[in-house]
Amino acid sequence: DAGVIQSPRHEVTEMGQEVTLRCKPISGHNSLFWYRQTMMRGLELLIYFNNNVPIDDSGMPEDRFSAKMPNASFSTLKIQPSEPRDSAVYFCASRPGLPSRSFREQFFGPGTRLTVL
Amino acid sequence: GIQVEQSPPDLILQEGANSTLRCNFSDSVNNLQWFHQNPWGQLINLFYIPSGTKQNGRLSATTVATERYSLLYISSSQTTDSGVYFCAVDPDNTDKLIFGTGTRLQVFP
Repeated sequence: DAGVIQSPRHEVTEMGQEVTLRCKPISGHNSLFWYRQTMMRGLELLIYFNNNVPIDDSGMPEDRFSAKMPNASFSTLKIQPSEPRDSAVYFCASRPGLPSRSFREQFFGPGTRLTVL
Repeated sequence: GIQVEQSPPDLILQEGANSTLRCNFSDSVNNLQWFHQNPWGQLINLFYIPSGTKQNGRLSATTVATERYSLLYISSSQTTDSGVYFCAVDPDNTDKLIFGTGTRLQVFP
């Protein structure tokens, strides 16, 4: 089975540009999570969805960040306008949910390394 | 919020050595996972272990939820074990994984 798929793997953009990161969760999983990893703050949760509905976006740093999940197999994280401090690795993760035995286990994609110049 | 502390922060080993990594957490949890972040940045699931003991090859893990800690054992370490090991917990009544600061492991031939 394919794991979590993210695209692009690397993104270099200039300050002020819009950036869109994409994620395809594992088929059959009903929860999706977006994380960000930086040297200063480590790995932190930005937002998560259950059954395509945003549940908690308290980790989203500011209004420049938005996330959508239009269907069970696709999610986007958008930054508009981007700033150099947004440079980080962005991970998407999914988990199976009930009735799976390990329903809380999260599986991570390969990440998108974003550099904002 | 919950605190997740990992020790040691850094570990240097020669190939073949054994090691124990520790994760302490300050509150009760629904879930605990161990991950290996390899030098290419990928987060690889090692164990989903909210309680009890599991083994997978040279790796094993034990979580004592009542005492709020988990241990990851690596035996006969190999250079491919190098990277950062993260413990992450899902506190009770939340759906959020909170990551520890990690243990950076370097294994030399």
